[in-house]
Amino acid sequence: QKEVEQNSGPLSVPEGAIASLNCTYSDRVSQSFFWYRQYSGKSPELIMSIYSNGDKEDGRFTAQLNKASQYVSLLIRDSQPSDSATYLCAVIGGGADGLTFGKGTHLIIQP
Amino acid sequence: DGGITQSPKYLFRKEGQNVTLSCEQNLNHDAMYWYRQDPGQGLRLIYYSQIVNDFQKGDIAEGYSVSREKKESFPLTVTSAQKNPTAFYLCASSIQGALTEAFFGQGTRLTVV
Repeated sequence: QKEVEQNSGPLSVPEGAIASLNCTYSDRVSQSFFWYRQYSGKSPELIMSIYSNGDKEDGRFTAQLNKASQYVSLLIRDSQPSDSATYLCAVIGGGADGLTFGKGTHLIIQP
Repeated sequence: DGGITQSPKYLFRKEGQNVTLSCEQNLNHDAMYWYRQDPGQGLRLIYYSQIVNDFQKGDIAEGYSVSREKKESFPLTVTSAQKNPTAFYLCASSIQGALTEAFFGQGTRLTVV
């Protein structure tokens, strides 16, 4: 059984600070990793994808992947109140059977 | 505009009834997926399809059925055998099916009354 683990939170971060979200996964042959943002009552929106070890930056967002430790993270710089949402970590494993999601981390940016 | 369209947005079902949720995409994506989300939970895979006329069960397929007669369409039927169907249902599609990101429709919220 493939598992993706996230701290459910809530994670409270002051406006302007860096928010750090973490995720671990159990399937060692996982190949693709994604972060989705989900506002309450809405569908998930893709914000980052990462496929190889290291960092990938896109605007205020940085995804970090460490396959040896089976760990993926998302950093949000200069956090804004509009970043308040649930962030879902998703992983594609060795089989072609779609994404496995974590339960999500609820992030609150305090003005 | 390209995208994934789910309908209806809200659906109410009486106990013992079957209901069908629609999912249509015009992105020319090969793979399509159905997920279920319960409050405070992540997304759980119900069924997926990598190609027309073929589909596979996900982690929680019991009480659900699907068809993939066209590349653009992947309807989900929630049968009376599904004992706890109240949930948020999300359809997604992806371009290659194996390694690439999936994009979601706006979801259907199903409530049993």
